[in-house]
Amino acid sequence: ETGVTQTPRHLVMGMTNKKSLKCEQHLGHNAMYWYKQSAKKPLELMFVYNFKEQTENNSVPSRFSPECPNSSHLFLHLHTLQPEDSALYLCASSQDQRGGLDTQYFGPGTRLTVL
Amino acid sequence: AQTVTQSQPEMSVQEAETVTLSCTYDTSENNYYLFWYKQPPSRQMILVIRQEAYKQQNATENRFSVNFQKAAKSFSLKISDSQLGDTAMYFCAFGGAYGGSQGNLIFGKGTKLSVKP
Repeated sequence: ETGVTQTPRHLVMGMTNKKSLKCEQHLGHNAMYWYKQSAKKPLELMFVYNFKEQTENNSVPSRFSPECPNSSHLFLHLHTLQPEDSALYLCASSQDQRGGLDTQYFGPGTRLTVL
Repeated sequence: AQTVTQSQPEMSVQEAETVTLSCTYDTSENNYYLFWYKQPPSRQMILVIRQEAYKQQNATENRFSVNFQKAAKSFSLKISDSQLGDTAMYFCAFGGAYGGSQGNLIFGKGTKLSVKP
């Protein structure tokens, strides 16, 4: 379970706060993903980066701002969030972004609570 | 657009027994990949098994096996000799055979499996 790590594991923030989620992968992969996991809903893909370039923004509100400085690190910057943004945020990585050909490996997630 | 449906929100099974989790999907593609992921309580989501659509043979991984019915667009997961550690959320996912947006994984809502002693 050390292939993809995420920090912090838990985060509580107010609606006016600014915080960042961090993801790091130690698998030598080129693609990284942010997902939102809410109860009783399918995982929602938010962003995809391949070779540090953003290749997918799934109509995510601008209060979520991703950053990928290199292929091993991925951040999700949060500001002025809403209570409905409370969820488990999962990071994943894969060798490349070739659909099902590349298996995705997940981090443990950050449990975010917005008050 | 592809869809993935898991019709069993919750299931339970006695330890050492066999349980089957259902998954159906919809696609117009001929080549694709299907996955089962396991997410134990408060733990990381891990890959259980992967199936390539063009392979007739059902994938197996130790106590886990799938029944892949391409024509019926069905992909069920069978867990044999269930163990307490199998207690988890199980997600079925579809992955296209192409890169970019067309290939992104589509997940079902999950089935919560409880293994009882």
